[in-house]
Amino acid sequence: DIQMTQSPSSLSASVGDRVTITCRASQGINYWLAWYQQKPEKAPKSLIYAASSLQSGVPSRFSGSGSGTDFTLTISSLQPEDFATYYCQQYNTYPYTFGQGTKLEIK
Amino acid sequence: EVQLLESGGGLVQPGGSLRLSCAASGFTFSSFAMSWVRQAPGKGLEWVSLITGGADGTYYADSVKGRFIISRDNSQNTLYVQMNSLRAEDTAVYYCAKGSGYNSVWYPNWGQGTLVTVSS
Repeated sequence: DIQMTQSPSSLSASVGDRVTITCRASQGINYWLAWYQQKPEKAPKSLIYAASSLQSGVPSRFSGSGSGTDFTLTISSLQPEDFATYYCQQYNTYPYTFGQGTKLEIK
Repeated sequence: EVQLLESGGGLVQPGGSLRLSCAASGFTFSSFAMSWVRQAPGKGLEWVSLITGGADGTYYADSVKGRFIISRDNSQNTLYVQMNSLRAEDTAVYYCAKGSGYNSVWYPNWGQGTLVTVSS
């Protein structure tokens, strides 16, 4: 199975900060990577697909990049509603797998 | 508007069985792969299973292979998962997720989840 490793596991930041979360795949997955945001007691929400394509309705401060094994999610200017947990997911090979999550907290 | 409504969760004893359902609406159900994704209390997301739009392909996580069976009824726009030989580690919120396409997919739409608790 492909292992997805996110870093950091948690992150403290302030409103207005630029934040980057990294996701690394244990083997190449082309650009078949998605990013999700989850708030407590809520279902995940899709943000990015195909590594860098923004899901409809998602603010442009969110962006994704990467291909192969190394990927990043960047939030250009944190807003209060962005404090949540973020997950990457590979959909190149079955079984699909998620990263362990990155919890973004208010500093 | 896409809507996904899970049902069937509850308390079950170890070794028992449970069937979850996901009623879908707002899209052409048979054209999209569907999945189950779970989340144990306080833990991250775990992909469980996927079924292609026409039910011609099914895929499972190693942790549930041989115990869970995913299926769908395209005439009723409903997704199922039959969970057998349940273990304590299967305790989780189970989400139904709509795929972005017929087979290889990411998940633009999610249900609100149903809680399964495996305990004696």
